Amino acid sequence: EAGVAQSPRYKIIEKRQSVAFWCNPISGHATLYWYQQILGQGPKLLIQFQNNGVVDDSQLPKDRFSAERLKGVDSTLKIQPAKLEDSAVYLCASSLSRDKLYFGPGTRLTVL
Amino acid sequence: DAKTTQPNSMESNEEEPVHLPCNHSTISGTDYIHWYRQLPSQGPEYVIHGLTSNVNNRMASLAIAEDRKSSTLILHRATLRDAAVYYCILRDWKGGSEKLVFGKGMKLTVNP
Repeated sequence: EAGVAQSPRYKIIEKRQSVAFWCNPISGHATLYWYQQILGQGPKLLIQFQNNGVVDDSQLPKDRFSAERLKGVDSTLKIQPAKLEDSAVYLCASSLSRDKLYFGPGTRLTVL
Repeated sequence: DAKTTQPNSMESNEEEPVHLPCNHSTISGTDYIHWYRQLPSQGPEYVIHGLTSNVNNRMASLAIAEDRKSSTLILHRATLRDAAVYYCILRDWKGGSEKLVFGKGMKLTVNP
């Protein structure tokens, strides 16, 4: 089965610019997650969707980050404007059941 | 979220068994024990999970202490491909949010 797809794989931007990441989950997976992983740390959950509704966005910096999941399939995570501390790998994951999450390869963001 | 404690790092030799410990002294009755691993430059990958009984799958075995305050992930025959950061995570279904909260994890080095 095809895995979780993410694009782009790498992105370099200047601070105060905006950036968007795209995620295509595994077909049929109702739950979609966005995680942020700063170098040397474990992934931190930013937002969780169940179909196209938000289940948990308690750790999403809503003044600059936004995410949507139209039609309960693909999702986009946006940062506007970016700060230096947003440099990280952004991971998308999806799940069908409560047992396991399937992660994509991530998008490495560098903010200069 | 309940916490887990893992060593920062471990080393093993190729083709030998590896026992990766995890302490979770504040585990509650509804917490499942999950293990994920993250190979370099990849997203995390599900390894195994359990509640009370020991579990086996094609990747590893999970041994859970009788009081559930600790568990051990067992790789029966380490290969170079097993070199990764391993995360021991408690996942509580009671609240319904189902989110996976990662710690820093434990880096496993496999020597040829």
